Amino acid sequence: GQNIDQPTEMTATEGAIVQINCTYQTSGFNGLFWYQQHAGEAPTFLSYNVLDGLEEKGRFSSFLSRSKGYSYLLLKELQMKDSASYLCAPMDSNYQLIWGAGTKLIIKP
Amino acid sequence: IAGITQAPTSQILAAGRRMTLRCTQDMRHNAMYWYRQDLGLGLRLIHYSNTAGTTGKGEVPDGYSVSRANTDDFPLTLASAVPSQTSVYFCASSPTGTSGQETQYFGPGTRLLVL
Repeated sequence: GQNIDQPTEMTATEGAIVQINCTYQTSGFNGLFWYQQHAGEAPTFLSYNVLDGLEEKGRFSSFLSRSKGYSYLLLKELQMKDSASYLCAPMDSNYQLIWGAGTKLIIKP
Repeated sequence: IAGITQAPTSQILAAGRRMTLRCTQDMRHNAMYWYRQDLGLGLRLIHYSNTAGTTGKGEVPDGYSVSRANTDDFPLTLASAVPSQTSVYFCASSPTGTSGQETQYFGPGTRLLVL
């Protein structure tokens, strides 16, 4: 079956670094997406990985290991506006996104 | 450019009533999707369409129907609403739906309460 596992909630301090992990099992694989979703809003695209390794985009980086079925999202220099849910979504062989329940990130001053 | 719009923003519906959620995109994307999002669960795909005139079933299609008469519109119909259909419904689109590295763009969502 298809399964996504990520922590339900994490807390971090403003200015710090946080890593959100995601493990997945899918039928086929066509890359993995991370989305950000603020409370009451729609998900918005953050990053995409299809090859192993780290993709850096400003304060956000995303890592993928296909052999381990593992990804993480790294957020640096945390700001209060980063308080949101972060959704891990691998794409299966039919190009459908399989969504995790999301990790709610709480930033404290 | 609006992107994707959904209507209504929110709705309270009596069980047994019929309801159509509207979704329109102006990006000329071929692929469109309907998801529902419930607390503690990931987004679940209800129906999708990879091009006008074709539709497919997702993970949770029962109780829902869709049509795709043209590229821009993808309405979702609940024929006879039940309380378990209380959820937030998101419409999304992507350029083709048949390629990797395709970002899905989401509408603002419709919050539906079925009593």
